[in-house]
Amino acid sequence: DTGVSQDPRHKITKRGQNVTFRCDPISEHNRLYWYRQTLGQGPEFLTYFQNEAQLEKSRLLSDRFSAERPKGSFSTLEIQRTEQGDSAMYLCASSLGGTGASPLHFGNGTRLTVT
Amino acid sequence: DQQVKQNSPSLSVQEGRISILNCDYTNSMFDYFLWYKKYPAEGPTFLISISSIKDKNEDGRFTVFLNKSAKHLSLHIVPSQPGDSAVYFCAAIRSGTYKYIFGTGTRLKVLA
Repeated sequence: DTGVSQDPRHKITKRGQNVTFRCDPISEHNRLYWYRQTLGQGPEFLTYFQNEAQLEKSRLLSDRFSAERPKGSFSTLEIQRTEQGDSAMYLCASSLGGTGASPLHFGNGTRLTVT
Repeated sequence: DQQVKQNSPSLSVQEGRISILNCDYTNSMFDYFLWYKKYPAEGPTFLISISSIKDKNEDGRFTVFLNKSAKHLSLHIVPSQPGDSAVYFCAAIRSGTYKYIFGTGTRLKVLA
């Protein structure tokens, strides 16, 4: 399967702990996105990479959140000092860059529960 | 400010009939629109898209209609099947930008 893969699928952590999620995009896709989804809401944009460059970061992403995409391949999203409000599904998506917009292809997400 | 709105949180349709899911947007700069389907515990799956230069795009049982003057798009599923039961999200983006904006979703239930 060459789709977007995310690891882990589920993460339960205690408030104040740090967590890190990994995303492996579709190999030929140069664009990578992180979204967050909570119950009853649609996916909310967090950040975007084109190759290894982080080009946009949402105001939703506080200083406790950091994302990287070394060498333009896989990406990690780290949340430091987790809070209960961070509990959500974290979705990674990738797309093929070009002159126009193209569909995002999502992974199955990492569900974070902060207790 | 919710730029993409799906005002119907849920919809029930009989198997074999047409399902019509609606989406409204407020930003006239959006020029590319997408529909996604999401099953529980899975990520959204891309279904169909439409560029603002068109008013209709068809792919098998799925057709998306775009009414730019009304800032409205709809997804038609004909005929509806029980396997279509899922949450459907519409999304929009302005070409040249990076942020896809999603609606809050409509839960479709197709009754056998």
